[in-house]
Amino acid sequence: TQLLEQSPQFLSIQEGENLTVYCNSSSVFSSLQWYRQEPGEGPVLLVTVVTGGEVKKLKRLTFQFGDARKDSSLHITAAQPGDTGLYLCAGLNAGNNRKLIWGLGTSLAVNP
Amino acid sequence: SQTIHQWPATLVQPVGSPLSLECTVEGTSNPNLYWYRQAAGRGLQLLFYSIGIDQISSEVPQNLSASRPQDRQFILSSKKLLLSDSGFYLCAWSVLAGNTEAFFGQGTRLTVV
Repeated sequence: TQLLEQSPQFLSIQEGENLTVYCNSSSVFSSLQWYRQEPGEGPVLLVTVVTGGEVKKLKRLTFQFGDARKDSSLHITAAQPGDTGLYLCAGLNAGNNRKLIWGLGTSLAVNP
Repeated sequence: SQTIHQWPATLVQPVGSPLSLECTVEGTSNPNLYWYRQAAGRGLQLLFYSIGIDQISSEVPQNLSASRPQDRQFILSSKKLLLSDSGFYLCAWSVLAGNTEAFFGQGTRLTVV
């Protein structure tokens, strides 16, 4: 069974701090996606990483896919209250069913 | 551009009553469609997915069923709701090929009382 473990589960920081959240698995994924979800709404796709070692930047957010395509990280620089939300990673099963495998999420609170 | 509509946003239903949640997608053809349930503030549990009309795969045994009567319409149903069916239900779509990036509706908060 493919699993994606996210850490930490909860994170509460002050505005301006940096943080990193992790998404780890023992399985290889053909691609990995990061989503952010605000309370009462559906998740919104932030980025997809496909190539091992790939780094993508989205303003203050930096996403990295592990060389072996088993893990990923999300780094936020100078966090702002607007970054508050649930961050979810999802890996694409490279097999025939092409289903997304979801992590349980990291709940981030950025305090002003 | 593609859009996904899911309704209603909130629903309070008595135990034993039926359920029908509807999801429609606009601006794309032959999408993959998904129903997820999410526990409070946590990850997503895939309930059903569909690759085409009347083609439904169920991921977990449960009190719910899904139907896809039209290409861009996905319906989640129950004949008799249980208290344990309460939760946040999300509909999503993705393209049939590619990286299967999911685009979600706004969700339905279902409370069974």
